Amino acid sequence: EDKVVQSPLSLVVHEGDTVTLNCSYEVTNFRSLLWYKQEKKAPTFLFMLTSSGIEKKSGRLSSILDKKELFSILNITATQTGDSAVYLCAVEARVNTGKLIFGQGTTLQVKP
Amino acid sequence: NAGVTQTPKFQVLKTGQSMTLQCAQDMNHEYMSWYRQDPGMGLRLIHYSVGAGITDQGEVPNGYNVSRSTTEDFPLRLLSAAPSQTSVYFCASTTGGLNIQYFGAGTRLSVL
Repeated sequence: EDKVVQSPLSLVVHEGDTVTLNCSYEVTNFRSLLWYKQEKKAPTFLFMLTSSGIEKKSGRLSSILDKKELFSILNITATQTGDSAVYLCAVEARVNTGKLIFGQGTTLQVKP
Repeated sequence: NAGVTQTPKFQVLKTGQSMTLQCAQDMNHEYMSWYRQDPGMGLRLIHYSVGAGITDQGEVPNGYNVSRSTTEDFPLRLLSAAPSQTSVYFCASTTGGLNIQYFGAGTRLSVL
């Protein structure tokens, strides 16, 4: 059975800290891994990763995929209170279906 | 450009009632999906569609029906609501190339 597991499930840090969120997966036909940020409403897209070892960056956020060890990490440097959210990892495991398998999510709280 | 539109935003039902959650997208996306989100469980796929007239079951399809008569619309029907269907429901759509799913704002459903 395909599955995606995120850790930790929740995290509390202070502004300025650096955090690392983890996502491991077991799927039969891996195509891509996606990270989303969810703040009370709909998830919004952050990154899509398809190739191993290539870092994607957007400002203070970055992510990398290791297809050999079947995991990805999402790093947030110099955290701000606006980074408080649920971070979701999802894997596309079948081509041309539009299906995503989501992990449980990591709830990040950044305190002033 | 509205993106993915879900209605209603909130709904309270009594056990045994039926209702339809509406989802429409104006991006001409082929693929559409319905997810439910429960605390600590990420998003779980209910049903998905790869095009008009084609639907398939996801991870948690029991108690839900879907149809896809047009590219734009993908309604989700609850035939006989149960308290276990209390959840937040998200509709998403994506193109067939890069599976970056765009989410609606969600419907918060309570079944009493």
